[in-house]
Amino acid sequence: DGGITQSPKYLFRKEGQNVTLSCEQNLNHDAMYWYRQDPGQGLRLIYYSQIVNDFQKGDIAEGYSVSREKKESFPLTVTSAQKNPTAFYLCASGGYTGNQPQHFGDGTRLSIL
Amino acid sequence: GEDVEQSLFLSVREGDSSVINCTYTDSSSTYLYWYKQEPGAGLQLLTYIFSNMDMKQDQRLTVLLNKKDKHLSLRIADTQTGDSAIYFCAENSGNTPLVFGKGTRLSVIA
Repeated sequence: DGGITQSPKYLFRKEGQNVTLSCEQNLNHDAMYWYRQDPGQGLRLIYYSQIVNDFQKGDIAEGYSVSREKKESFPLTVTSAQKNPTAFYLCASGGYTGNQPQHFGDGTRLSIL
Repeated sequence: GEDVEQSLFLSVREGDSSVINCTYTDSSSTYLYWYKQEPGAGLQLLTYIFSNMDMKQDQRLTVLLNKKDKHLSLRIADTQTGDSAIYFCAENSGNTPLVFGKGTRLSVIA
């Protein structure tokens, strides 16, 4: 089945540690996105990529990094510089024209140990 | 910048209709979307409407767009307990990322 796969579902980070969240899609979408969701805050855009080997910062990119080496994959690294990483992280993919809406993965919940 | 506003909570009785409202500020919005999120899950695309349309119906869902007032609504007919979730309104124009509202939590009372 076509879709977006995020892993792991739950992740724990120790202080000073970098962790990487995986996102893979087999929908042949050009664009991929990472969002952070906190209770009562809705979704905030971290990074997005409209084409392989290119990506742009979203509204809250500080403390995060991404890469887009393959069309299917858009991993997100939460670095030790992100002081408040506890949140629900959602990956999405879509065309970058409006008639190819974004579809979401099931999310990764990151907590601090 | 662009902004999307939604009321935070809505409570309805099972079998009644639910109407979730959304306002947006970007007059160049091209597409407007409704997503549903159940607890602990990602967002599920429910429906979307192109800005030159006034209405779109899909089974129990009806989307109304008033472009002049920049107002979008989602009506759910015969609301069921399985419709309890958070509903997000979102918009974009051309190839820009989506701008989301903060979500409306719908509670359905049996």
